Amino acid sequence: AVQLVESGGGLVQPKESLKISCAASGFTFSNAAMYWVRQAPGKGLEWVARIRTKPNNYATYYADSVKGRFTISRDDSKSMVYLQMDNLKTEDTAMYYCTAPEVRNPAFAYWGQGTLVTVSS
Amino acid sequence: DIVMTQTPSSQAVSAGEKVTMSCKSSQSLLYSENKKNYLAWYQQKPGQSPKLLISWASTRESGVPDRFIGSGSGTDFTLTISSVQAEDLAVYYCEQYYDTPPTFGSGTKLEIK
Repeated sequence: AVQLVESGGGLVQPKESLKISCAASGFTFSNAAMYWVRQAPGKGLEWVARIRTKPNNYATYYADSVKGRFTISRDDSKSMVYLQMDNLKTEDTAMYYCTAPEVRNPAFAYWGQGTLVTVSS
Repeated sequence: DIVMTQTPSSQAVSAGEKVTMSCKSSQSLLYSENKKNYLAWYQQKPGQSPKLLISWASTRESGVPDRFIGSGSGTDFTLTISSVQAEDLAVYYCEQYYDTPPTFGSGTKLEIK
């Protein structure tokens, strides 16, 4: 079965950095685009970042709200995807979910349990 | 960015009733080359991660009860639950994956009377 397990969340102060991780299993990780989606407390879902596969040059895409501050990366040898978050703001406080689509269907079929990032002084 | 508008924001129904919720997109999600609508519905129960219910506007995922029905095309879409069960208490989100960035609606919260 497909599993996505996030880790690394926590409490940080504004302007600090944090790197969260997602361990994937149960599918051919190297063939899958990977995504981060976040959800602020009591709010809706917001797409954060996307990383494509090696044949697509690991191209990355970001929401305007995080562009220039967040960096998504992946390690296909470890089936891991990461989100480096720099210059964090209070509005980045959210549950961060790692998500992945099925083959030939871009909808988010697989979700992790999420890791909570709290930015507060 | 494509804006997704969901209505109503919340709805309370009794078990066994039929419920419908709407999702409208600011531009068409119908891709002319394959005649598919790039629209998904997710269910998020309290304290849980979202779960994909329906993709391509009307294709149920494996294991999703057939009381969940997706319909619509272009810019107007509907999720119908034909006979609501207590376990359907959740927030339902639509999402377009026609264009980057993928965008979500603000959700419809389903409450059981």
